[in-house]
Amino acid sequence: ETGVTQSPTHLIKTRGQQVTLRCSSQSGHNTVSWYQQALGQGPQFIFQYYREEENGRGNFPPRFSGLQFPNYSSELNVNALELDDSALYLCASSLGGGIDTGELFFGEGSRLTVL
Amino acid sequence: EDQVTQSPEALRLQEGESSSLNCSYTVSGLRGLFWYRQDPGKGPEFLFTLYSAGEEKEKERLKATLTKKESFLHITAPKPEDSATYLCAVTQGGSEKLVFGKGTKLTVNP
Repeated sequence: ETGVTQSPTHLIKTRGQQVTLRCSSQSGHNTVSWYQQALGQGPQFIFQYYREEENGRGNFPPRFSGLQFPNYSSELNVNALELDDSALYLCASSLGGGIDTGELFFGEGSRLTVL
Repeated sequence: EDQVTQSPEALRLQEGESSSLNCSYTVSGLRGLFWYRQDPGKGPEFLFTLYSAGEEKEKERLKATLTKKESFLHITAPKPEDSATYLCAVTQGGSEKLVFGKGTKLTVNP
């Protein structure tokens, strides 16, 4: 059983640029959630995708967008990068939302630095 | 607005010295409270789910308890490998998001 994998692990961008982060879900999981974790903070919910449809969104502006593919892998896109977007971006997969059990399987994250 | 407050922010223990971490929450219609462990440079790892006041869950040296306003993570006779940041999160009915606290960074010295 493969775990959740994210790419790239680290990247550096400049203000105004765009970035795409990728996530492969754990085998058999149909739901993926994305979280942003700033240094010294807990993860903050960005959005969730269930069977290729957005299924909940946190307090993030529209320049944060996502996709889920038929194989349940996912992308997070951020346009017009700002300095405050510097953070660890975590992808978590689960079966059927996972919220009732709280058992999300997280990847190791993509560390984004915006200069 | 849902809030999760964890204390202390950091805790340093000697190996074998038991202690507790606290998670206070304010959420209407609590659906579940969750504990995760996060090692440096890694994603959070699921530990426990608690659903109702009075519930307890145990795993090795860890025991999580829940009241109507807070949860405790008790660590009995900790070992250096228990060193990590412990995160508490809640979710409410109708929401698909977990609301996390800032975490407690635990260091266990040999």
